[in-house]
Amino acid sequence: EIVLTQSPGTLSLSPGERATLSCRASQSVSSNYVAWYQQKPGQAPRLLIYGASSRATGIPDRFSGSGSGTDFTLTISRLEPEDFAVYYCQQYGSSPWTFGQGTKVEIK
Amino acid sequence: QVQLQESGPGLVKPSETLSLTCAVSGYSISSGYSWGWIRQPPGKGLEWIGTIYHSGSTDYNPSLKSRVTISVDTSKNQFSLKLSSVTAADTAVYYCARTLTIFRNGWFDPWGQGTLVTVSS
Repeated sequence: EIVLTQSPGTLSLSPGERATLSCRASQSVSSNYVAWYQQKPGQAPRLLIYGASSRATGIPDRFSGSGSGTDFTLTISRLEPEDFAVYYCQQYGSSPWTFGQGTKVEIK
Repeated sequence: QVQLQESGPGLVKPSETLSLTCAVSGYSISSGYSWGWIRQPPGKGLEWIGTIYHSGSTDYNPSLKSRVTISVDTSKNQFSLKLSSVTAADTAVYYCARTLTIFRNGWFDPWGQGTLVTVSS
């Protein structure tokens, strides 16, 4: 099973700042099959990125994904008030598909 | 657009079987795509439970495989989850989601709103 470790656990930033979230895999993820989700309190996760770098339909271009092999990054170029949430990465390159433990982006 | 809605008992007794249904609207299940279940214990992270592919075959998380069954009812445009022999560790919010796949590799979009299932006597 591929273990995903997200860092940092919490990111304290101000609106307008850049957020860089890391997701490291315990072994190489096949075909860079990594997705990123945003979850707000009391809500279901929402898909942001799939295939490591492809934005899902309707996702603003301030969200971008990058990486390959074992190291993946979600970048939010300029934080908007609605971006403060928990973010999860998921690998689907090998079964069982697994999620990271999440990074909380909070208002500083 | 595709929308999903989970339903089922919010309280299940230990050793019994948890049964949930996911109603799909805005899309005919028989037309394609795969469908999956994910859960989230209170205050914790996400765990993939399993997926049923358009072909009808299934993949389950090995940690749950012996207790899980996912099935589709095309006549009702819904799919279901059964988890047997539940314990308190199975208490979680259960989400259903459309699974977008490349061969048997999948990500989830969209998700249902989730339903909390508590295992307690």
